[in-house]
Amino acid sequence: AQRVTQPEKLLSVFKGAPVELKCNYSYSGSPELFWYVQYSRQRLQLLLRHISRESIKGFTADLNKGETSFHLKKPFAQEEDSAMYYCALRYSGGGADGLTFGKGTHLIIQP
Amino acid sequence: ETGVTQSPTHLIKTRGQQVTLRCSSQSGHNTVSWYQQALGQGPQFIFQYYREEENGRGNFPPRFSGLQFPNYSSELNVNALELDDSALYLCASSLGQGFAEAFFGQGTRLTVV
Repeated sequence: AQRVTQPEKLLSVFKGAPVELKCNYSYSGSPELFWYVQYSRQRLQLLLRHISRESIKGFTADLNKGETSFHLKKPFAQEEDSAMYYCALRYSGGGADGLTFGKGTHLIIQP
Repeated sequence: ETGVTQSPTHLIKTRGQQVTLRCSSQSGHNTVSWYQQALGQGPQFIFQYYREEENGRGNFPPRFSGLQFPNYSSELNVNALELDDSALYLCASSLGQGFAEAFFGQGTRLTVV
């Protein structure tokens, strides 16, 4: 069965410092990975997906199939980055086509 | 363009009762997925509807059922409520099968007492 692991429940860094939110997955098929973000009092929204290989709000994530990882990175954290971040894996097969989410990492950017 | 809306926002039910949650998908979207998010956990996939038919299901028992209507709005029904069903229920809509970007609603907070 597929699984997404986010080892850090809480990550606190200072403004201007680099940020890395870790995500590891297990999946027997070809993975599609995503990062979702939830800002305070807002709904869950897509931040980026690995197939588009784009940078959103300064964040990037590279899929490393050898290490089964999809870590989210930003070189210089900003206070507005404080939010809940979820890594998700799309799976299909057996009639199901949905997302498996990790438990999330609460990122706090301190001034 | 209207976003995904869910109703009600909160509700409290008694163990053993039945509940219906509603979701209006984003304009033009024909696929709706439902997720359960327990406290401190990530969302868990319940099922997906595409053009009024169930398109896939996660690891949830049959007492979790759903419907999608011709206007692509959707309902999630849960029978014989259990205390562990207390959670935030999220609806997400997208366009087409496969995985286009899913847009989430604000959720319905269900408390079972």
